[in-house]
Amino acid sequence: DAGITQSPRHKVTETGTPVTLRCHQTENHRYMYWYRQDPGHGLRLIHYSYGVKDTDKGEVSDGYSVSRSKTEDFLLTLESATSSQTSVYFCAISDSVGNQPQHFGDGTRLSIL
Amino acid sequence: KNEVEQSPQNLTAQEGEFITINCSYSVGISALHWLQQHPGGGIVSLFMLSSGKKKHGRLIATINIQEKHSSLHITASHPRDSAVYICAVILPFNTDKLIFGTGTRLQVFP
Repeated sequence: DAGITQSPRHKVTETGTPVTLRCHQTENHRYMYWYRQDPGHGLRLIHYSYGVKDTDKGEVSDGYSVSRSKTEDFLLTLESATSSQTSVYFCAISDSVGNQPQHFGDGTRLSIL
Repeated sequence: KNEVEQSPQNLTAQEGEFITINCSYSVGISALHWLQQHPGGGIVSLFMLSSGKKKHGRLIATINIQEKHSSLHITASHPRDSAVYICAVILPFNTDKLIFGTGTRLQVFP
């Protein structure tokens, strides 16, 4: 299995609080992604990174920010969490674009009350 | 309308049955992923293919680019195959952007 660790695995917090999710990889892969998974929707891309300090928005980026100061870490921040951000969040990594598979972390279940 | 549609949404089978899960898409793609998500939540890549057919153990994936359709087959299904199977397409032009289907939930009973 690709070395991807997401933390925390579960979190419950209140509306309006800041939340940071961490994705850590040991594969030295260039590309990293944050997705959210909700019932009735396929996985949707929040933000992605194509290198240290290089990030871009995905299709559902509103309310989220990311940072990548080291190759191995990709942080997802909810500055002021809302109940609509209750979801399961997945990090993924890949070595190159095109025909290379992405490898996924085990997910973080986030509940905003 | 979703750009990636899977059918059926839910599927139950008896152990030993032959399973087919379908994926249709409406956009141009460079390749297609089949992924497996177990009840614990982790997502594993099963196949990535851009043409023809691939086989791994009891799993077979086919794709018809002209018809914009892919199928995932499971032969001699087993309860441990119970999972959600997700189809995802990779957009062309040297991108790693994936568009995901909503998944097919498979339950195989002994």
